[in-house]
Amino acid sequence: EVQLVESGGGLVQRGGSLRLSCVGSGFTFSNHYIDWVRQAPGKGLEWVGRSRSKPQSYTTDYVASVRGRFTISRDESTNTLYLQMDSLKTEDTGVYYCAREGHNPGPDFDCWGQGTVVTVSS
Amino acid sequence: QSVLTQPPSASGTPGQRVTISCSGSSSNIGRDYVYWYQQLPGTAPKFLIYKNDLRPSGVPDRFSASKSGTSASLAISGLRPEDEGSYHCAAWDHSLNGHVFGGGTKLTVL
Repeated sequence: EVQLVESGGGLVQRGGSLRLSCVGSGFTFSNHYIDWVRQAPGKGLEWVGRSRSKPQSYTTDYVASVRGRFTISRDESTNTLYLQMDSLKTEDTGVYYCAREGHNPGPDFDCWGQGTVVTVSS
Repeated sequence: QSVLTQPPSASGTPGQRVTISCSGSSSNIGRDYVYWYQQLPGTAPKFLIYKNDLRPSGVPDRFSASKSGTSASLAISGLRPEDEGSYHCAAWDHSLNGHVFGGGTKLTVL
């Protein structure tokens, strides 16, 4: 079964740091782009960034609002994607999902994790 | 403020047909595929429609979608109580160089 499981969420003060993890199973993790998508309380979905696949050297992209503060990386040996979040702001509060991109062009998110909650207090 | 624009709410009675719109621009919907996601209360989003109008296996044919110019729409026919939740459209934006979403439409089955 294709599965993604996030962990690492919690309560952190404004300006602090947090690292989220996303473990994939049931598929060849290195062959897929894996993304982070967040959802503020009562709001819509917002794309945060992604790690491309191994053939694309795991290069990364980010939404402008987190560029320079968030870093996405992978551990190939454990099929884990990380989201290192620094200089956190209250507006970063929300549920963070990791999602697998399929092989169609565009936001082809064919598998999602259950989400992990991040709360940034002022 | 989301890049793609959706109505915040929609409603219908069981058995009815409802449509949800998604409006974008020439940098996203106008030049790339639209995807739709269903999010039932308290759960993660689920893959619903890909490449404008295609259904992944397991998605009932009550769900259909289309795209024209810089807008797209999702239609749900034979509405059921279990369809109640939020529906999100998404596309790649060539100006922002990233995926963009609509603000989501909360569907209520009366």
